[in-house]
Amino acid sequence: DAKTTQPNSMESNEEEPVHLPCNHSTISGTDYIHWYRQLPSQGPEYVIHGLTSNVNNRMASLAIAEDRKSSTLILHRATLRDAAVYYCILKASYDKVIFGPGTSLSVIP
Amino acid sequence: DTGVSQDPRHKITKRGQNVTFRCDPISEHNRLYWYRQTLGQGPEFLTYFQNEAQLEKSRLLSDRFSAERPKGSFSTLEIQRTEQGDSAMYLCASSLGELNTEAFFGQGTRLTVV
Repeated sequence: DAKTTQPNSMESNEEEPVHLPCNHSTISGTDYIHWYRQLPSQGPEYVIHGLTSNVNNRMASLAIAEDRKSSTLILHRATLRDAAVYYCILKASYDKVIFGPGTSLSVIP
Repeated sequence: DTGVSQDPRHKITKRGQNVTFRCDPISEHNRLYWYRQTLGQGPEFLTYFQNEAQLEKSRLLSDRFSAERPKGSFSTLEIQRTEQGDSAMYLCASSLGELNTEAFFGQGTRLTVV
């Protein structure tokens, strides 16, 4: 499985944008970039995914580098509810989700 | 539909006992996954089913672990002769199994082996 590298932890102030980076230099042409997050005492939940182009949905935006070796999950306005572990995952089309350690995001009121 | 449901939410058992967990996926989802998560770690893949067929098992799934999905609906995960190292959160997820559809996770069963 192709690997991703994320910072162990990040902090953000409430109501400010958050940029969560992910490096995936060994990504293959068929790997999609998925993001999941896990709130305390909850199961993981899907956030967003993309292949080459930037993606937006109601939860977040995903910015993918032109060479696809890195990506950034953008939360436009962090709330306390966004405090969670964020997982950046490379996933072939029909494959299972494989989690790394993720980034623990703290949101400061 | 209330999403993926897992039962029980918590289980405390003595070492050496057998335990069984149940997962009810979202009704139209044909893929079902089991994961294990220990404190401070990301979930680790254990096994998955496409309908009733168990298509992949991780090497983490020792002989003491068995999973079934009769009739391609709910699934059970049984751990025989539990050990303290089995203490973890066991997560179930389901998906449509189509191109890049998201996986929906349950809230997990927390197992404590004493």
